[in-house]
Amino acid sequence: NAGVIQTPRHKVTGKGQEATLWCEPISGHSAVFWYRQTIVQGLEFLTYFRNQAPIDDSGMPKERFSAQMPNQSHSTLKIQSTQPQDSAVYLCASSALYEQYFGPGTRLTVL
Amino acid sequence: GDSVTQTEGPVTLSEGTSLTVNCSYETKQYPTLFWYVQYPGEGPQLLFKVPKANEKGSSRGFEATYNKEATSFHLQKASVQESDSAVYYCALSEDSGTYQRFGTGTKLQVVP
Repeated sequence: NAGVIQTPRHKVTGKGQEATLWCEPISGHSAVFWYRQTIVQGLEFLTYFRNQAPIDDSGMPKERFSAQMPNQSHSTLKIQSTQPQDSAVYLCASSALYEQYFGPGTRLTVL
Repeated sequence: GDSVTQTEGPVTLSEGTSLTVNCSYETKQYPTLFWYVQYPGEGPQLLFKVPKANEKGSSRGFEATYNKEATSFHLQKASVQESDSAVYYCALSEDSGTYQRFGTGTKLQVVP
């Protein structure tokens, strides 16, 4: 069991560019969650899917952020027109029941 | 709305001393409570969860009791080791399988 895989581990973008972050959940887990982690805000929920369907995106900034789960083996988080305040570690987690298993995160740096 | 409040860090302890990290929560519902640990460069890892009031969770020498009346879930360890140095998060989930709300995290440093 490789755990939750996130790619890339590090991404640097220029202001205004697009960033796409990938997550491969643990096989057999039905739910995928996205969180953002910063020093100031801590761990913030963004959005989650269950059985590939979007369930709750209440934590997602309404502009520029979108998430998809086209199949059970991966989910993507896309940030359009990145801004310096988007710099953070983006964490993906998957779950079968209550326990969430986190990936190592993608550190996004927007210059 | 729901909230989770925990001891602000950083906390520095000597090896062999005891640890308490306070966690209090506010929620309208009856949550499941969690403690996670995060090491540098990694995502949070579940230490343990406790779904029911007045029950205790434990793992690796850490434990916490779900006190529904006091809405608290304090993390304790009798004797910390240098390898326990990490960031600890308290979290709650209102319903099975929904997202978890995390506290701000408490950075623990254990010195020899």
